[in-house]
Amino acid sequence: EAQVTQNPRYLITVTGKKLTVTCSQNMNHEYMSWYRQDPGLGLRQIYYSMNVEVTDKGDVPEGYKVSRKEKRNFPLILESPSPNQTSLYFCASSMTGGNTIYFGEGSWLTVV
Amino acid sequence: KNEVEQSPQNLTAQEGEFITINCSYSVGISALHWLQQHPGGGIVSLFMLSSGKKKHGRLIATINIQEKHSSLHITASHPRDSAVYICAVIQGAQKLVFGQGTRLTINP
Repeated sequence: EAQVTQNPRYLITVTGKKLTVTCSQNMNHEYMSWYRQDPGLGLRQIYYSMNVEVTDKGDVPEGYKVSRKEKRNFPLILESPSPNQTSLYFCASSMTGGNTIYFGEGSWLTVV
Repeated sequence: KNEVEQSPQNLTAQEGEFITINCSYSVGISALHWLQQHPGGGIVSLFMLSSGKKKHGRLIATINIQEKHSSLHITASHPRDSAVYICAVIQGAQKLVFGQGTRLTINP
């Protein structure tokens, strides 16, 4: 089954404690991306990757890092989380130029 | 002003009604996605359009590149169509810019 898997799905953490949200896809997609969704602001792109070792900033990259060492994985790293990073995060993947974008189920992150 | 504007923001209709959701954008795009977000939060891709019209079941999506406008239509609407519908434009290679979403409620 075609899947984008994110972990953890729910996390409450404290300010400054480094965390990683993992994202894995089983469709051999070149393109992967991270988004955050906030009330009143909608979905916004954080980072995206066109292929292994190729990443680029989206609209709201501050406070986040990503890496793409393998085609299937695209982890989102919060080196020093702050309360303004409390949000619902989505990972997504697609074939480059493909018709369908596949989203993970979302990760609810609360930073206190 | 947002680069991608959807209207209406909220829409409530009775089962069976014909539904139209609109998306206007102000930037150059290579294509446009329509997405559906269920009450539980999951997001599903409905269509990707770069020109013309696509149909899948009761859903129809159209795009007019010259007018920078796209519409999503739902025929014979059903309560299970209740969701948030999101328009997203693709700029350049793969940068996605999203509309704010339209919350659709279909009453039985």
